[in-house]
Amino acid sequence: DQQVKQNSPSLSVQEGRISILNCDYTNSMFDYFLWYKKYPAEGPTFLISISSIKDKNEDGRFTVFLNKSAKHLSLHIVPSQPGDSAVYFCAASEGGSQGNLIFGKGTKLSVKP
Amino acid sequence: EAQVTQNPRYLITVTGKKLTVTCSQNMNHEYMSWYRQDPGLGLRQIYYSMNVEVTDKGDVPEGYKVSRKEKRNFPLILESPSPNQTSLYFCASRRYRASNEQFFGPGTRLTVL
Repeated sequence: DQQVKQNSPSLSVQEGRISILNCDYTNSMFDYFLWYKKYPAEGPTFLISISSIKDKNEDGRFTVFLNKSAKHLSLHIVPSQPGDSAVYFCAASEGGSQGNLIFGKGTKLSVKP
Repeated sequence: EAQVTQNPRYLITVTGKKLTVTCSQNMNHEYMSWYRQDPGLGLRQIYYSMNVEVTDKGDVPEGYKVSRKEKRNFPLILESPSPNQTSLYFCASRRYRASNEQFFGPGTRLTVL
């Protein structure tokens, strides 16, 4: 049973527009969430994180929103750039940042010029 | 340059032939782990290690062994590989278990015939 779900396997967005990647989770004990980005033939790289005491965290063009009651988080990329084209993984853990990470299946983002 | 390296990057082998995938990090990180990535399943943790001589099972440990004799190295051992272990494997490290950012290696694509 998937505890972290990314229900959209792919997303296509025009350059300059907003990209919204969604992630749902089932384990109410999760209290720390991360997004990773993965290019082909490379390992995932950390993008941004949020703990459950917050509902928003921003880093440049990337913002993560957390809705605990809905067990839902999203990653917003504004404005989207062609270099953002990659697979994005949502991950969650319990026990703060000390827990093991449970990953979603990933969403492939394509940003078209 | 801070990095996690894995070898080999690509490997084709036959059922039952023991193999080892090496992983090394040069960041003096305490926490290391192994993941496998399969289509439609995302990243799943195989084993992790919180420090030298301390290892524990992740979500999918069956058919794998690990060892952590030195801080920098965390090899993944398949004593008797089977076709269902055909996958893309990632090694990862972070400074402590409580660290925010996890660094991934470039991946090892394993095919078991």
